[in-house]
Amino acid sequence: KQEVTQIPAALSVPEGENLVLNCSFTDSAIYNLQWFRQDPGKGLTSLLLIQSSQREQTSGRLNASLDKSSGRSTLYIAASQPGDSATYLCAVRPPAGGGSNYKLTFGKGTLLTVNP
Amino acid sequence: DTEVTQTPKHLVMGMTNKKSLKCEQHMGHRAMYWYKQKAKKPPELMFVYSYEKLSINESVPSRFSPECPNSSLLNLHLHALQPEDSALYLCASTRLAGNYGYTFGSGTRLTVV
Repeated sequence: KQEVTQIPAALSVPEGENLVLNCSFTDSAIYNLQWFRQDPGKGLTSLLLIQSSQREQTSGRLNASLDKSSGRSTLYIAASQPGDSATYLCAVRPPAGGGSNYKLTFGKGTLLTVNP
Repeated sequence: DTEVTQTPKHLVMGMTNKKSLKCEQHMGHRAMYWYKQKAKKPPELMFVYSYEKLSINESVPSRFSPECPNSSLLNLHLHALQPEDSALYLCASTRLAGNYGYTFGSGTRLTVV
């Protein structure tokens, strides 16, 4: 059974700092990994999708890496801003084939606070 | 249109009420999902529809009844809910072919009193 762990559970940083959020998963047989952002009481906003064959994806100040063999992904946020404060979730999707392919396994998230 | 739209945003209902949550997308996605999320927990899968047919029911109580009238619309009918069913209900959609990501709606905050 796939398990996803996110460390740290909470992180507080001053504005402008570069930071790294970690996600690890127990089964390296994944189809892809997706990073989401969630503001309090809101839905999930997709940040980056990394295919199992890819090593990294970038969008603006965000960079996500994937090391499938070691079961790890990191989300790097450059020059953090107070508006980046949110919960960040990573989710892995199992390989294609079978009904379980639809089911994402989520980590419990990292609550990020960026202080002005 | 790259959004999943959920209505209503907030809903308060009594335990004897019947209500429905609505989800709509116009991205041509043929898989749609209902997730339930309790405070400070990750989302939990409830139902999956593919090609408008129910393909996964994660052992959800029958007081939750999903419906997919067409490829753009997904409903969740609620009846005789319990206070512990209070949560954020999220709808998501994906394409069925290719290595795709999930698009989530903004959710319906449900409170059962």
